[in-house]
Amino acid sequence: GAGVSQSPSNKVTEKGKDVELRCDPISGHTALYWYRQSLGQGLEFLIYFQGNSAPDKSGLPSDRFSAERTGGSVSTLTIQRTQQEDSAVYLCASSLGLAGGPTQYFGPGTRLTVL
Amino acid sequence: AQSVAQPEDQVNVAEGNPLTVKCTYSVSGNPYLFWYVQYPNRGLQFLLKYITGDNLVKGSYGFEAEFNKSQTSFHLKKPSALVSDSALYFCAVSHNQAGTALIFGKGTTLSVSS
Repeated sequence: GAGVSQSPSNKVTEKGKDVELRCDPISGHTALYWYRQSLGQGLEFLIYFQGNSAPDKSGLPSDRFSAERTGGSVSTLTIQRTQQEDSAVYLCASSLGLAGGPTQYFGPGTRLTVL
Repeated sequence: AQSVAQPEDQVNVAEGNPLTVKCTYSVSGNPYLFWYVQYPNRGLQFLLKYITGDNLVKGSYGFEAEFNKSQTSFHLKKPSALVSDSALYFCAVSHNQAGTALIFGKGTTLSVSS
């Protein structure tokens, strides 16, 4: 079946602009995660959704970052007033969540470049 | 706090030789352990996991890993390396319940020469 998809694959924006990144999880996966991959920081957890709720937002680096999930499916990660240090690859993953196994399956990522 | 260490930034091996990519972890309680592989400009691809049971776990593409509780290690191994195995490998740990974040190591670049 289809894997995790993310859009756009690449996003170039100017400092100070807002961006939205989208994730479509594997059908039936109730858990959804956002991670960030950068050269300096490696792979960092941002936020976890179970259904439409976010029980763990501990990785969001500042209040400029927010995420929502609707219908227990698609999720959007929004970064407001982007800064150059936000440049990274943003990865989304999904898993069966509380009802199933812990394995997280990753999408191809969105490469964000802030000029 | 949970942490994962991959002590080698790069591992070089000749095709046909066995390979080992090292991983040690620190977590309270019993961990879930994972290996992922990343090819250039691609997302992370799941290789294998340890949840419970047999300490030797077999995964995709002929890879296997051994969970060693006393040494808190989960090294990735393959008996005979292929050039196509060249990629970036990540070890990850989470608490032993579904729906928790993965903590990743910094990654190890595997280079297999022909």
